[in-house]
Amino acid sequence: KQEVTQIPAALSVPEGENLVLNCSFTDSAIYNLQWFRQDPGKGLTSLLLIQSSQREQTSGRLNASLDKSSGRSTLYIAASQPGDSATYLCAPWDSSASKIIFGSGTRLSIRP
Amino acid sequence: DTGVSQDPRHKITKRGQNVTFRCDPISEHNRLYWYRQTLGQGPEFLTYFQNEAQLEKSRLLSDRFSAERPKGSFSTLEIQRTEQGDSAMYLCASSFGGAVDTEAFFGQGTRLTVV
Repeated sequence: KQEVTQIPAALSVPEGENLVLNCSFTDSAIYNLQWFRQDPGKGLTSLLLIQSSQREQTSGRLNASLDKSSGRSTLYIAASQPGDSATYLCAPWDSSASKIIFGSGTRLSIRP
Repeated sequence: DTGVSQDPRHKITKRGQNVTFRCDPISEHNRLYWYRQTLGQGPEFLTYFQNEAQLEKSRLLSDRFSAERPKGSFSTLEIQRTEQGDSAMYLCASSFGGAVDTEAFFGQGTRLTVV
């Protein structure tokens, strides 16, 4: 059974800092991996998709890396802004691409 | 197409009542998923459909829960005889299954409160 762990569970930093969110998963036989953002009381917004054959993916100030063999992914956020405050969720797809499994997320707060 | 749509956004019901939620996926997506999320936790998988076929159900989906996708388009999730423990956010997602760039897109969710 796939288990996803995200560290840290919560993070508060001043505006402008670069930061790294970590994700580990127990079953390396994944299809793809997505990073999502969730604002309080809202649905999930897909930030980045890393296909299983890829090592990293970039979108604006976000960069995500994937190391399948070690069961790890990281999300790098450059020059953080207060609007980045949200919960970030890591979600690997199972090997048959039938579902994605979530960790509990990292709750990020960017102080102005 | 404006993405995955869920209705209603909020539902308050009395314990023991039945409730039904609707999800309209992105039109060209053949796969549809239901998840449940409680406060402070990540979403938990409930079930998924490929077209109209329900291919997998989680053990979280008790006998009081039933999901349908009758024509391979919209889906409904019904909870019978609601309990306070059913209070949660119910999320729907869709994807185009089988592609190497399979990506899930979520709706805004339905917040259920059982009183």
